[in-house]
Amino acid sequence: AQKVTQAQTEISVVEKEDVTLDCVYETRDTTYYLFWYKQPPSGELVFLIRRNSFDEQNEISGRYSWNFQKSTSSFNFTITASQVVDSAVYFCALSEARVSGANSKLTFGKGITLSVRP
Amino acid sequence: DGGITQSPKYLFRKEGQNVTLSCEQNLNHDAMYWYRQDPGQGLRLIYYSQIVNDFQKGDIAEGYSVSREKKESFPLTVTSAQKNPTAFYLCASRGRDRGGNTEAFFGQGTRLTVV
Repeated sequence: AQKVTQAQTEISVVEKEDVTLDCVYETRDTTYYLFWYKQPPSGELVFLIRRNSFDEQNEISGRYSWNFQKSTSSFNFTITASQVVDSAVYFCALSEARVSGANSKLTFGKGITLSVRP
Repeated sequence: DGGITQSPKYLFRKEGQNVTLSCEQNLNHDAMYWYRQDPGQGLRLIYYSQIVNDFQKGDIAEGYSVSREKKESFPLTVTSAQKNPTAFYLCASRGRDRGGNTEAFFGQGTRLTVV
């Protein structure tokens, strides 16, 4: 069984603060994919990042960075110098990989509501 | 443009009626998914299909049914057996690229209200 836990439900910060969104996952597979999505108030889901389980290199994209730690089954997301436009719900997701290559079940966490105040 | 189309955006139905939500993709993806979103519950998987003519129950399949007769289409029927059908429904698809299985591409969603 696979599971994604986002223990933080709501976070509120002042603009320009750094904020880290936590994601802890559970899977019995050794090969899997992890994702982060953003859902602004408009409702559409915006893809942010995909990470394969065999690639533990951390990634930085502008003000966004991701820390993947297999030892603690965590895939945390940090926003540096937050802005009001970062206000949204953020979801972490997990999908186990199949030997056949077929796409399998994709499980989401409950999401973290981030509010960035001016 | 390639993408996923869900229709309609808003749907109202009377209690006890079945209703079918449409999802079409032109991304040539094998896998398609249906999620339900309620406040504070995140995205919960209803059904998914890895390939045409095949589908699997997700975590909350009771009261729902799907079909996958064509690669491009994955309609979801909310039956009268679904006890609390009012929700935001999201359809997604996934394919493969050089990096393996891709991320999920989502439609704009259908907000279903049962009165």
